[in-house]
Amino acid sequence: AQSVTQLGSHVSVSEGALVLLRCNYSSSVPPYLFWYVQYPNQGLQLLLKYTSAATLVKGINDFEAEFKKSETSFHLTKPSAHMSDAAEYFCAVSVTGGGNKLTFGTGTQLKVEL
Amino acid sequence: GAVVSQHPSRVICKSGTSVKIECRSLDFQATTMFWYRQFPKKSLMLMATSNEGSKATYEQGVEKDKFLINHASLTLSTLTVTSAHPEDSSFYICSAGGDRVYGYTFGSGTRLTVV
Repeated sequence: AQSVTQLGSHVSVSEGALVLLRCNYSSSVPPYLFWYVQYPNQGLQLLLKYTSAATLVKGINDFEAEFKKSETSFHLTKPSAHMSDAAEYFCAVSVTGGGNKLTFGTGTQLKVEL
Repeated sequence: GAVVSQHPSRVICKSGTSVKIECRSLDFQATTMFWYRQFPKKSLMLMATSNEGSKATYEQGVEKDKFLINHASLTLSTLTVTSAHPEDSSFYICSAGGDRVYGYTFGSGTRLTVV
């Protein structure tokens, strides 16, 4: 079965600083990986996805993530944090034969401070 | 892009009553929809996979008689929480269609409070 682990339930950065949210996956077959953002009392918005094409994936709002098979990681980064980036971020995995199901990590709450 | 509408966004009901939540795909057809439950400060837990024209597939530990799912058309799935209890209070989110290549589209969620 596939799974993802998000290290750090809370991350705090200063506005303008680098954002790094960590995600490691476990899968016996090539995974498809996603990052979603959730604002309070809202659904999930797709930031970016890895689907076995380029290992460096660029998403919306200047977010990007790099798929590293050797490290089984898919960390999310953004060069310069903005106050509007404060939200909950979820890493998720899906695999072929998994019925299109998404398995989510436990989430990372990003706080952006002035 | 794909839009999924979920309604209501917020509902309060009394214990013992039933509540229906709708999930609609507005600009595409969805043969499959997913229902998730999110506890406070927690991740999303997949409850069931809703299949158009057939029975839903429930995840282990989810009571199918309590959480009734109906997917009668290619654009609408409903989740009915029957005989609601305070412990059913939660944030419920649906996801419609999509796949691992194009991504998945989520509704805006429903905050259910049972009093």
